[in-house]
Amino acid sequence: AQTIHQWPVAEIKAVGSPLSLGCTIKGKSSPNLYWYWQATGGTLQQLFYSITVGQVESVVQLNLSASRPKDDQFILSTEKLLLSHSGFYLCAWRTGLGSYAEQFFGPGTRLTVL
Amino acid sequence: GDSVTQTEGLVTLTEGLPVMLNCTYQTIYSNPFLFWYVQHLNESPRLLLKSFTDNKRTEHQGFHATLHKSSSSFHLQKSSAQLSDSALYYCALSEGNYAQGLTFGLGTRVSVFP
Repeated sequence: AQTIHQWPVAEIKAVGSPLSLGCTIKGKSSPNLYWYWQATGGTLQQLFYSITVGQVESVVQLNLSASRPKDDQFILSTEKLLLSHSGFYLCAWRTGLGSYAEQFFGPGTRLTVL
Repeated sequence: GDSVTQTEGLVTLTEGLPVMLNCTYQTIYSNPFLFWYVQHLNESPRLLLKSFTDNKRTEHQGFHATLHKSSSSFHLQKSSAQLSDSALYYCALSEGNYAQGLTFGLGTRVSVFP
């Protein structure tokens, strides 16, 4: 069975500080991986997606960047946090290659920027 | 680009009453795939049901929805709401480029009261 893990679970950071969020998926080879951002009570905004190691496509940047250093790892980062970066960050993967493929979300990282 | 519209931001109702959440979509893709996700408080979204077949009712956990391509709609219904149905509900669309993740609507918050 596939499992998806995100770290950290929660983070409180100062404006202007750097950030790195991680996502690892086990039990699935070469998954399509995604980063979503959710403002409190808001919609799910896709940020980045990756279909293979070293390749990341941006959907909405929000002054963030993403990398895929390993097949099972997806990293979201920034060098300078903004207040607007607060929210819930979700990593997701899709079950297969096709538009009908389900998308599963990780447990998420709750970020508070002060 | 593709988009999903959920007209109700908040739906409040009494336990035992029926509930219907509206979802319409826009896409240039002739064979859209539609999904409903549910997100309970402090959890990540999980798939509730999905469909790609025109005019066929899809059911899961007491909820049902029918994709109507003629009206570009995929409304979610339940005949009798329960307290545990209180959650955020998202309608989502899979684009023709399946590598990219799902496109979500703004979400509808459902609050069920005794």
